[in-house]
Amino acid sequence: AQSVSQHNHHVILSEAASLELGCNYSYGGTVNLFWYVQYPGQHLQLLLKYFSGDPLVKGIKGFEAEFIKSKFSFNLRKPSVQWSDTAEYFCAVMRNAGNNRKLIWGLGTSLAVNP
Amino acid sequence: DAGVIQSPRHEVTEMGQEVTLRCKPISGHDYLFWYRQTMMRGLELLIYFNNNVPIDDSGMPEDRFSAKMPNASFSTLKIQPSEPRDSAVYFCASSLWTANTGELFFGEGSRLTVL
Repeated sequence: AQSVSQHNHHVILSEAASLELGCNYSYGGTVNLFWYVQYPGQHLQLLLKYFSGDPLVKGIKGFEAEFIKSKFSFNLRKPSVQWSDTAEYFCAVMRNAGNNRKLIWGLGTSLAVNP
Repeated sequence: DAGVIQSPRHEVTEMGQEVTLRCKPISGHDYLFWYRQTMMRGLELLIYFNNNVPIDDSGMPEDRFSAKMPNASFSTLKIQPSEPRDSAVYFCASSLWTANTGELFFGEGSRLTVL
């Protein structure tokens, strides 16, 4: 069965520290990849996505992610985090096949940024 | 745009009672998804619709769960009878699928507590 693994469940950083959240998936075919964020008390919203083209994608609020096909990875990065980045981060993968629209989600990484 | 609207935001009920959760997707979106979120299992896709037609309901836990989408602007998720293990946050999301995007727009969620 397809799965998405987020390696870090809880991350605590100080402001200005660099961030990298790991995401690996188990499907061998063509995929669409997503990172969503859930700020405290808010709904999930899209940070960035990869469908095709440049494997380094940039999203909102200074986030970026790199798709490395050989490693089945889509790690999220930010060079300098802010207190407002405190949130839950979810990686999700969609098998790019026909009319499939089903996302497989990681369990999420809780990020706390200390001011 | 009002976004995806869910109701109720919070529901507390007793075991055995019927629960109905409601969702109004973003106008013009052709996909609607129902998710359940718990600490233990993360985000689970329950069912999704395309143009009001159920496409994949393999995530619906059991016969106690049912979902309908009578028209493009309304969907319900019903649990009858409810059980304590159904306690979770239920999210509705909608999207407009194109070749280059499949962003999900989530509602605020309905937090269900079954006593």
